[in-house]
Amino acid sequence: ETGVTQTPRHLVMGMTNKKSLKCEQHLGHNAMYWYKQSAKKPLELMFVYSLEERVENNSVPSRFSPECPNSSHLFLHLHTLQPEDSALYLCASSQTRTGYEQYFGPGTRLTVT
Amino acid sequence: RKEVEQDPGPFNVPEGATVAFNCTYSNSASQSFFWYRQDCRKEPKLLMSVYSSGNEDGRFTAQLNRASQYISLLIRDSKLSDSATYLCVVRDDKIIFGKGTRLHILP
Repeated sequence: ETGVTQTPRHLVMGMTNKKSLKCEQHLGHNAMYWYKQSAKKPLELMFVYSLEERVENNSVPSRFSPECPNSSHLFLHLHTLQPEDSALYLCASSQTRTGYEQYFGPGTRLTVT
Repeated sequence: RKEVEQDPGPFNVPEGATVAFNCTYSNSASQSFFWYRQDCRKEPKLLMSVYSSGNEDGRFTAQLNRASQYISLLIRDSKLSDSATYLCVVRDDKIIFGKGTRLHILP
Protein backbone atom coordinates (compact mmCIF):
# COMPACT_ATOMS: atom_id res chain seq x y z
CA GLU A 1 0.00 0.00 0.00
CA THR A 2 1.12 3.53 -0.60
CA GLY A 3 0.32 6.92 0.86
CA VAL A 4 -1.78 7.39 3.97
CA THR A 5 -4.48 4.93 4.92
CA GLN A 6 -7.19 5.23 7.54
CA THR A 7 -9.54 2.73 9.10
CA PRO A 8 -12.42 2.49 9.51
CA ARG A 9 -13.74 4.67 6.70
CA HIS A 10 -17.12 5.04 8.41
CA LEU A 11 -18.02 4.71 12.08
CA VAL A 12 -21.28 5.08 13.94
CA MET A 13 -21.01 5.05 17.70
CA GLY A 14 -23.14 5.82 20.70
CA MET A 15 -22.13 8.39 23.27
CA THR A 16 -21.09 5.73 25.77
CA ASN A 17 -18.96 3.70 23.37
CA LYS A 18 -15.19 3.54 23.13
CA LYS A 19 -13.64 3.24 19.69
CA SER A 20 -10.33 3.95 17.99
CA LEU A 21 -9.40 5.41 14.64
CA LYS A 22 -6.26 4.17 12.96
CA CYS A 23 -3.93 5.89 10.55
CA GLU A 24 -0.90 4.45 8.79
CA GLN A 25 1.53 6.22 6.49
CA HIS A 26 3.81 4.45 4.04
CA LEU A 27 5.78 7.53 3.01
CA GLY A 28 8.63 7.46 5.52
CA HIS A 29 7.46 10.75 7.01
CA ASN A 30 8.36 11.93 10.50
CA ALA A 31 5.30 14.03 11.32
CA MET A 32 1.67 12.99 11.61
CA TYR A 33 -1.48 14.96 12.27
CA TRP A 34 -5.12 14.57 13.22
CA TYR A 35 -7.66 17.01 11.80
CA LYS A 36 -11.38 17.41 12.26
CA GLN A 37 -13.54 18.65 9.41
CA SER A 38 -17.12 19.59 10.19
CA ALA A 39 -19.64 20.82 7.66
CA LYS A 40 -19.13 24.46 6.65
CA LYS A 41 -16.04 24.83 8.84
CA PRO A 42 -12.36 24.91 7.95
CA LEU A 43 -10.11 22.04 8.80
CA GLU A 44 -9.31 22.10 12.51
CA LEU A 45 -5.92 20.82 13.55
CA MET A 46 -6.27 18.62 16.61
CA PHE A 47 -2.89 17.01 17.30
CA VAL A 48 0.60 16.98 15.84
CA TYR A 49 3.23 14.32 16.38
CA SER A 50 6.83 14.68 15.36
CA LEU A 51 9.09 11.66 15.67
CA GLU A 52 6.43 10.00 17.85
CA GLU A 53 6.35 12.88 20.29
CA ARG A 54 3.21 14.98 20.65
CA VAL A 55 4.21 18.55 19.87
CA GLU A 56 0.83 20.18 19.50
CA ASN A 57 -2.53 19.76 21.20
CA ASN A 58 -4.95 22.42 20.10
CA SER A 59 -7.33 22.59 23.05
CA VAL A 60 -8.93 19.31 22.17
CA PRO A 61 -11.31 17.82 24.77
CA SER A 62 -9.94 14.89 26.73
CA ARG A 63 -12.54 12.56 25.24
CA PHE A 64 -10.14 12.47 22.26
CA SER A 65 -6.88 10.72 23.10
CA PRO A 66 -4.13 10.33 20.50
CA GLU A 67 -1.44 7.69 20.45
CA CYS A 68 1.62 7.43 18.23
CA PRO A 69 3.45 4.14 18.85
CA ASN A 70 5.89 4.69 15.98
CA SER A 71 6.43 7.12 13.14
CA SER A 72 4.21 5.14 10.77
CA HIS A 73 1.13 4.73 12.95
CA LEU A 74 -1.24 7.13 14.63
CA PHE A 75 -4.37 6.36 16.61
CA LEU A 76 -7.21 8.48 17.91
CA HIS A 77 -9.00 6.89 20.84
CA LEU A 78 -12.57 8.05 21.35
CA HIS A 79 -14.73 7.78 24.44
CA THR A 80 -17.95 9.38 25.68
CA LEU A 81 -18.27 11.51 22.58
CA GLN A 82 -21.00 14.05 21.94
CA PRO A 83 -23.22 14.37 18.85
CA GLU A 84 -21.34 17.57 17.90
CA ASP A 85 -18.20 15.43 17.52
CA SER A 86 -19.73 13.93 14.38
CA ALA A 87 -17.39 14.95 11.56
CA LEU A 88 -14.80 13.74 9.09
CA TYR A 89 -11.54 12.93 10.89
CA LEU A 90 -8.54 13.22 8.66
CA CYS A 91 -5.03 11.97 9.27
CA ALA A 92 -2.09 13.53 7.47
CA SER A 93 1.66 13.15 7.37
CA SER A 94 4.57 15.26 6.22
CA GLN A 95 8.28 14.75 5.89
CA THR A 96 8.97 17.00 8.85
CA ARG A 97 6.78 19.19 11.01
CA THR A 98 7.77 22.44 9.38
CA GLY A 99 7.98 23.59 5.83
CA TYR A 100 6.70 20.58 3.95
CA GLU A 101 3.38 19.79 2.36
CA GLN A 102 1.03 17.33 4.01
CA TYR A 103 -0.49 14.21 2.55
CA PHE A 104 -3.92 13.24 3.75
CA GLY A 105 -5.62 9.93 4.29
CA PRO A 106 -9.18 9.37 3.03
CA GLY A 107 -10.64 10.12 6.43
CA THR A 108 -13.04 8.43 8.82
CA ARG A 109 -16.59 9.73 8.72
CA LEU A 110 -17.78 9.55 12.32
CA THR A 111 -21.39 9.78 13.42
CA VAL A 112 -22.15 9.96 17.13
CA THR A 113 -25.70 9.01 18.01
CA ARG B 1 -8.32 40.04 10.53
CA LYS B 2 -8.68 36.29 10.17
CA GLU B 3 -5.48 34.27 9.96
CA VAL B 4 -6.28 32.93 6.51
CA GLU B 5 -9.18 34.26 4.53
CA GLN B 6 -10.73 33.06 1.29
CA ASP B 7 -13.83 34.01 -0.64
CA PRO B 8 -16.09 30.99 -0.04
CA GLY B 9 -17.78 31.30 -3.44
CA PRO B 10 -19.26 29.42 -5.09
CA PHE B 11 -17.66 30.53 -8.31
CA ASN B 12 -19.78 29.34 -11.24
CA VAL B 13 -17.61 29.49 -14.32
CA PRO B 14 -18.25 28.24 -17.88
CA GLU B 15 -15.96 25.54 -19.19
CA GLY B 16 -12.92 26.98 -20.92
CA ALA B 17 -12.91 30.21 -18.95
CA THR B 18 -10.11 31.48 -16.73
CA VAL B 19 -10.76 31.78 -13.01
CA ALA B 20 -8.66 33.29 -10.24
CA PHE B 21 -8.81 32.93 -6.46
CA ASN B 22 -7.09 35.00 -3.84
CA CYS B 23 -6.24 34.12 -0.28
CA THR B 24 -5.06 36.64 2.31
CA TYR B 25 -3.07 35.84 5.43
CA SER B 26 -2.43 37.87 8.54
CA ASN B 27 1.00 36.72 9.74
CA SER B 28 3.75 38.45 7.81
CA ALA B 29 6.23 35.89 9.16
CA SER B 30 4.49 33.02 7.35
CA GLN B 31 7.00 30.81 5.60
CA SER B 32 5.25 28.32 3.36
CA PHE B 33 2.18 28.46 1.21
CA PHE B 34 0.18 25.81 -0.57
CA TRP B 35 -2.97 25.28 -2.57
CA TYR B 36 -4.94 22.11 -1.92
CA ARG B 37 -7.92 20.76 -3.78
CA GLN B 38 -10.74 18.92 -2.03
CA ASP B 39 -13.45 17.07 -3.91
CA CYS B 40 -16.82 16.49 -2.29
CA ARG B 41 -16.55 13.99 0.59
CA LYS B 42 -12.89 13.31 -0.16
CA GLU B 43 -9.64 14.28 1.52
CA PRO B 44 -7.66 17.39 0.56
CA LYS B 45 -4.92 16.78 -1.97
CA LEU B 46 -1.94 18.99 -2.63
CA LEU B 47 -2.38 20.93 -5.84
CA MET B 48 0.78 22.98 -5.73
CA SER B 49 3.21 24.74 -3.46
CA VAL B 50 3.51 28.49 -3.89
CA TYR B 51 6.99 29.89 -4.32
CA SER B 52 8.12 33.48 -3.95
CA SER B 53 8.93 33.71 -7.64
CA GLY B 54 5.58 32.27 -8.65
CA ASN B 55 5.15 28.88 -10.24
CA GLU B 56 3.18 27.25 -12.98
CA ASP B 57 1.99 23.69 -13.49
CA GLY B 58 0.14 23.21 -16.74
CA ARG B 59 -3.06 25.25 -16.60
CA PHE B 60 -2.43 26.29 -12.99
CA THR B 61 -0.39 29.30 -11.87
CA ALA B 62 0.27 30.23 -8.27
CA GLN B 63 1.68 33.52 -7.08
CA LEU B 64 2.73 35.00 -3.77
CA ASN B 65 2.60 38.67 -2.89
CA ARG B 66 4.39 39.12 0.43
CA ALA B 67 3.95 42.89 0.52
CA SER B 68 0.16 42.59 0.38
CA GLN B 69 0.10 39.22 2.14
CA TYR B 70 -1.88 37.22 -0.32
CA ILE B 71 -1.47 34.25 -2.57
CA SER B 72 -3.38 33.60 -5.74
CA LEU B 73 -4.33 30.66 -7.92
CA LEU B 74 -5.13 31.06 -11.59
CA ILE B 75 -6.78 28.27 -13.59
CA ARG B 76 -6.76 28.67 -17.35
CA ASP B 77 -8.94 26.81 -19.84
CA SER B 78 -11.03 25.38 -17.01
CA LYS B 79 -12.34 21.82 -17.28
CA LEU B 80 -15.40 20.21 -15.76
CA SER B 81 -13.04 18.13 -13.63
CA ASP B 82 -11.71 21.29 -12.01
CA SER B 83 -14.93 21.56 -10.02
CA ALA B 84 -13.88 21.25 -6.38
CA THR B 85 -13.12 23.28 -3.27
CA TYR B 86 -9.72 24.97 -3.32
CA LEU B 87 -8.04 25.37 0.05
CA CYS B 88 -5.36 27.91 0.82
CA VAL B 89 -2.78 26.75 3.38
CA VAL B 90 -0.34 29.01 5.18
CA ARG B 91 2.41 27.80 7.44
CA ASP B 92 4.45 29.69 10.03
CA ASP B 93 5.01 27.86 13.28
CA LYS B 94 1.68 26.18 12.70
CA ILE B 95 -0.42 25.14 9.76
CA ILE B 96 -3.56 27.08 8.98
CA PHE B 97 -6.15 26.08 6.41
CA GLY B 98 -8.54 28.52 4.86
CA LYS B 99 -12.23 27.63 4.64
CA GLY B 100 -11.87 27.03 0.93
CA THR B 101 -13.37 28.43 -2.24
CA ARG B 102 -15.95 26.34 -4.06
CA LEU B 103 -15.61 26.22 -7.82
CA HIS B 104 -18.28 24.89 -10.19
CA ILE B 105 -17.34 24.58 -13.83
CA LEU B 106 -20.46 24.73 -15.99
CA PRO B 107 -20.74 22.80 -19.27
